[in-house]
Amino acid sequence: KQEVTQIPAALSVPEGENLVLNCSFTDSAIYNLQWFRQDPGKGLTSLLLIQSSQREQTSGRLNASLDKSSGRSTLYIAASQPGDSATYLCAVNPSGSRLTFGEGTQLTVNP
Amino acid sequence: GAVVSQHPSWVICKSGTSVKIECRSLDFQATTMFWYRQFPKQSLMLMATSNEGSKATYEQGVEKDKFLINHASLTLSTLTVTSAHPEDSSFYICSAARVLDQPQHFGDGTRLSIL
Repeated sequence: KQEVTQIPAALSVPEGENLVLNCSFTDSAIYNLQWFRQDPGKGLTSLLLIQSSQREQTSGRLNASLDKSSGRSTLYIAASQPGDSATYLCAVNPSGSRLTFGEGTQLTVNP
Repeated sequence: GAVVSQHPSWVICKSGTSVKIECRSLDFQATTMFWYRQFPKQSLMLMATSNEGSKATYEQGVEKDKFLINHASLTLSTLTVTSAHPEDSSFYICSAARVLDQPQHFGDGTRLSIL
């Protein structure tokens, strides 16, 4: 059974810092991995999707990497802003569209 | 873009009431829709997967008679929580995919509170 773990559970940083969120998964046989953002009381916004054949994806200040063999992914946020404050969820897709989520990292960026 | 609308966003009702939540894909046809439940400070747990025109596939431990799912069209799926009790209070989120191996697009969720 696939298990997804995210570290740290919570992170508080001053504005402007670069930061890294970590995600690990137990079964390396994945179809793709996705990073989401969830604001309080809201649904999910997809940030980046990395196919199993890819090593990384970039969008603006966000960069996600994937090391499938070691079961790890990182989300790098450059020059963090207060508006980045949210919960970040990592989800792996073993096949088709079925997703297994981690428990998330709650990020607070202080002005 | 791909927009998924979920309604209602928030509902409070008495114990024993049945509650229906709608999930609509507004600008695309969704062959597959998913229903998740999220408890406070926890991650999303998949409840069931529904394919248009067929019965939903429920995850282990999810009562199919308690959580009725209908996916009668390519743009609408409904989740009905029957005879809801306080322990059913949670945040319910739906998502939709064009076909099974395509990315999911999520609704904004429904906060359900049972008194």
